[in-house]
Amino acid sequence: SQELEQSPQSLIVQEGKNLTINCTSSKTLYGLYWYKQKYGEGLIFLMMLQKGGEEKSHEKITAKLDEKKQQSSLHITASQPSHAGIYLCGAYPSRGRSNYQLIWGAGTKLIIKP
Amino acid sequence: NAGVTQTPKFQVLKTGQSMTLQCAQDMNHEYMSWYRQDPGMGLRLIHYSVGAGITDQGEVPNGYNVSRSTTEDFPLRLLSAAPSQTSVYFCASKSGHGELFFGEGSRLTVL
Repeated sequence: SQELEQSPQSLIVQEGKNLTINCTSSKTLYGLYWYKQKYGEGLIFLMMLQKGGEEKSHEKITAKLDEKKQQSSLHITASQPSHAGIYLCGAYPSRGRSNYQLIWGAGTKLIIKP
Repeated sequence: NAGVTQTPKFQVLKTGQSMTLQCAQDMNHEYMSWYRQDPGMGLRLIHYSVGAGITDQGEVPNGYNVSRSTTEDFPLRLLSAAPSQTSVYFCASKSGHGELFFGEGSRLTVL
């Protein structure tokens, strides 16, 4: 079965610094989601990438999908305390059931030091 | 906009008790799903539904039942709770554009 591995598992970054979180798949990626979670809250949608080479940005967050590497990266520029939380990636494991059963990485915990 | 509403937010059960986690969405989404989140394991799909009257199993369905009598509601039932079902449960619905909308989660402890 396909697995998604996120790295690093946790990250402490000085406020204002840039950072990158990776999501690597054991099989071909067919679309990928990035979500952010704060403790005790639900998951907040960040971005959805559907095609190899696709890159999307929202405010200071940029996500890319590299199908050849079976990897997606999430990059935050000039980090702020509001970026702190757990970042989760989710992907469809196969085209056949691609609309129904997402699989998820274990998450990357991001702490921003003031 | 209410979005996806889950109740209760917290629940403590004794082994063998039954309960239902409620999930409602007001966005007219056809697709709804239930996940559990455990430390170090990410989200795992329990059951999902692609429309009223249609449900299917996800990755970890054992010990859980679902039904979908209306588009809005997708309750998750634990018939005989076990300590292994201690977890945080999330309900999600999906828009036609593919975006998943999550509830705030229900934290369940089974003693």
